[in-house]
Amino acid sequence: QQQVKQSPQSLIVQKGGISIINCAYENTAFDYFPWYQQFPGKGPALLIAIRPDVSEKKEGRFTISFNKSAKQFSLHIMDSQPGDSATYFCAARGGNNDMRFGAGTRLTVKP
Amino acid sequence: NAGVMQNPRHLVRRRGQEARLRCSPMKGHSHVYWYRQLPEEGLKFMVYLQKENIIDESGMPKERFSAEFPKEGPSILRIQQVVRGDSAAYFCASSPVEQGGAGELFFGEGSRLTVL
Repeated sequence: QQQVKQSPQSLIVQKGGISIINCAYENTAFDYFPWYQQFPGKGPALLIAIRPDVSEKKEGRFTISFNKSAKQFSLHIMDSQPGDSATYFCAARGGNNDMRFGAGTRLTVKP
Repeated sequence: NAGVMQNPRHLVRRRGQEARLRCSPMKGHSHVYWYRQLPEEGLKFMVYLQKENIIDESGMPKERFSAEFPKEGPSILRIQQVVRGDSAAYFCASSPVEQGGAGELFFGEGSRLTVL
């Protein structure tokens, strides 16, 4: 049972463009929503995170938009760069402190 | 401050053998999580442990897999009687305790198991 649904599976964006990755969840007990970035052969690393009491969080070129009523959140990467090419995972933390991940989005930014 | 340490980084086993994967969390972290990642796939939750306690093992196969996080020493993920389908990258993550629950997960580099 997938508790966090992520789309698209893969995404190709031109350098300078906007990358958008979407996630949806069902469990209203989730209280923390991070995004992780993973490069090949490496472990995931936290990119940016949001709690449900805010609708948007921005850190540099990365923005999370959060829609609590729709139970959806998304990652926007502005001015995408080839170095952003990686796999991105959304996640959600439950009431038991367990963290569930989406299936991942492989982003390719073309120069 | 060393990060999450996993070893071995690569492990090759023949079918029927046992695999033991170790994870030392970051200093001061009392929560450990294990995830499995198949090639081209996402992170599948396996188990969540605190010191000497299994909090949630709902993602762990009922047979052949076990995990522990003893009072002293690393967390261990043990796979008995390995089969080819166990070939995957196994990631460990640790987390500090924050008010309101566990915070950010810090991942290790992973242990890549290959079953021949």
